[in-house]
Amino acid sequence: AQSVTQLDSQVPVFEEAPVELRCNYSSSVSVYLFWYVQYPNQGLQLLLKYLSGSTLVKGINGFEAEFNKSQTSFHLRKPSVHISDTAEYFCAVSEAPGGSYIPTFGRGTSLIVHP
Amino acid sequence: DTEVTQTPKHLVMGMTNKKSLKCEQHMGHRAMYWYKQKAKKPPELMFVYSYEKLSINESVPSRFSPECPNSSLLNLHLHALQPEDSALYLCASSQEGGIGYGYTFGSGTRLTVV
Repeated sequence: AQSVTQLDSQVPVFEEAPVELRCNYSSSVSVYLFWYVQYPNQGLQLLLKYLSGSTLVKGINGFEAEFNKSQTSFHLRKPSVHISDTAEYFCAVSEAPGGSYIPTFGRGTSLIVHP
Repeated sequence: DTEVTQTPKHLVMGMTNKKSLKCEQHMGHRAMYWYKQKAKKPPELMFVYSYEKLSINESVPSRFSPECPNSSLLNLHLHALQPEDSALYLCASSQEGGIGYGYTFGSGTRLTVV
């Protein structure tokens, strides 16, 4: 079975500063990795995903994430955040074909962007 | 159409009421899901429908009853709920098996049980 750890429950940052949201996973098989964003009173929206290939994945809204197999990490980054990026961010992992496709979600990281 | 539409957006119900949540998608996705989400927590899986058949029930109490009338619709029937069932109920869909594609989520129904 897989598991996901989001190390920070809350990340405060000033507008236009860079940000990194950390995600580590554990699995005995190959995995697919996802980041979702949830704005207040909304559902979750897929930001980006890693399936295979290039370890640097670019997503929507200027976010990117890097898959690091040796460190079992999939950290989310943005070089310059906006007030509108304030939201809850969830990392999720699911097992590659042959395993359970139901994703396991991390506990979430609340990104708070201050003006 | 790349959306999952959930109705109603808000619902307040008494513990003796019967109500239903509705979810609709027209993306041709063959897997649909119900999740429950409490404030500041990740979504918790409740049910999975694959090709209109219930494939996963995560030991959800029988006061929650899912239904998949066709490949585009998913309902969640509610009866005799408890105040602790108050939460955001999210519907999601994905291509077959969801493998590698990620989910498309609806905006949710905010349920309050009084």
